[in-house]
Amino acid sequence: QKEVEQNSGPLSVPEGAIASLNCTYSDRVSQSFFWYRQYSGKSPELIMSIYSNGDKEDGRFTAQLNKASQYVSLLIRDSQPSDSATYLCAVNLGYSTLTFGKGTMLLVSP
Amino acid sequence: GAVVSQHPSWVICKSGTSVKIECRSLDFQATTMFWYRQFPKQSLMLMATSNEGSKATYEQGVEKDKFLINHASLTLSTLTVTSAHPEDSSFYICSALTSTGTNSPLHFGNGTRLTVT
Repeated sequence: QKEVEQNSGPLSVPEGAIASLNCTYSDRVSQSFFWYRQYSGKSPELIMSIYSNGDKEDGRFTAQLNKASQYVSLLIRDSQPSDSATYLCAVNLGYSTLTFGKGTMLLVSP
Repeated sequence: GAVVSQHPSWVICKSGTSVKIECRSLDFQATTMFWYRQFPKQSLMLMATSNEGSKATYEQGVEKDKFLINHASLTLSTLTVTSAHPEDSSFYICSALTSTGTNSPLHFGNGTRLTVT
């Protein structure tokens, strides 16, 4: 069974700290990886995509991909209370749509 | 770009009635759209894949006669919850891929919160 796994959390960090969110996936041939943020009661919004090994930075967000280890992570620098949300990892596992992890809840305390 | 519009954003209906939810891709054509359901504090659950001009593909356990999907054009898919019951109360979200390539992300509509009384 192909799948995407995330720790459900909550991950609690103080304001200003770095939040590190992790995701593992089961299919070695996956080529595209995405991070979505979902606020409570809202639909998911795309925040990062990454397709090749290494780091990709966008503002305070850095996505890291290691295909050999089948591992993708999201770092949030200078975490803010407004970053408190559930973060969903999504991977193209060859199905018609993306496969989502169950999400990690992030809580940033002031 | 890649805006998916969903309407209505919330709806309250009485048990036994039907509710239609619309999903539109505003600035791209979507041959395939996806319908998700999410109960409070739970993860996204894919209900069905909506294909333009053909029948939808439903996930295991989703009743196709209860959740009617129509994808009549490249920019519009509709989900009709027929004979709704309180247990159908949930957050319904549509999404679409901007292309069929493996690098295409999913873009989500804002969701529809359905409450059946």
